[in-house]
Amino acid sequence: DTVLTQSPALAVSPGERVSISCRASEGVNSYMHWYQQKPGQQPKLLIYKASNLASGVPARFSGSGSGTDFTLTIDPVEADDTATYFCQQSWNDPPTFGGGTKLELK
Amino acid sequence: EVQLVESGGGLVQPGRSLKLSCVASGFTFSNYGMNWIRQAPGKGLEWVAYISSGSSYIYYAETVKGRFTISRDNAKNTLYLQMTSLRSEDTALYYCARTGVGFDYWGQGVMVTVSS
Repeated sequence: DTVLTQSPALAVSPGERVSISCRASEGVNSYMHWYQQKPGQQPKLLIYKASNLASGVPARFSGSGSGTDFTLTIDPVEADDTATYFCQQSWNDPPTFGGGTKLELK
Repeated sequence: EVQLVESGGGLVQPGRSLKLSCVASGFTFSNYGMNWIRQAPGKGLEWVAYISSGSSYIYYAETVKGRFTISRDNAKNTLYLQMTSLRSEDTALYYCARTGVGFDYWGQGVMVTVSS
């Protein structure tokens, strides 16, 4: 299975820019997607196919990367962005998720 | 508005069975592949199973293959997950999710606890 590796946690101040990384153990083309999960809620799709903003998602969120290295960027970060962010690949079977990066605001 | 509403969870003893349902609304259910994805308490996300729009293609995670069965009834806009031979490690919040590019809509989840 394709293993996706994310940093466990990040802490940033409101108004700053934050980049969350995801590294795949093998190439996934551009088929990397990003989700936001707030406590007690279901995951929500933010970015699909590496760099495409999902419907209704603020333009503060952006994605980049291809192959094995991907980044989710939030600029500027707002208090409401406190959540866990997961990457997920759909190029190789089975689909797999990263372990999640918990974003905390200072 | 797309809505996915799961039901059928609960506390079950190891080795027993349970069937989850997910009722879809707000979109043409029969046009989309659907998935079950689970999340153990305090843990990450694990894809469990996929079924294509017309049920022709079905795939399972190795951890549940032979024990779980995904199915759907397009006339009732409902997705199912029949779980048998349940183990403690199956304890999780189970989400149904639509396949768009990525998993574009998720239900709120239903809790399954396997314990004696």
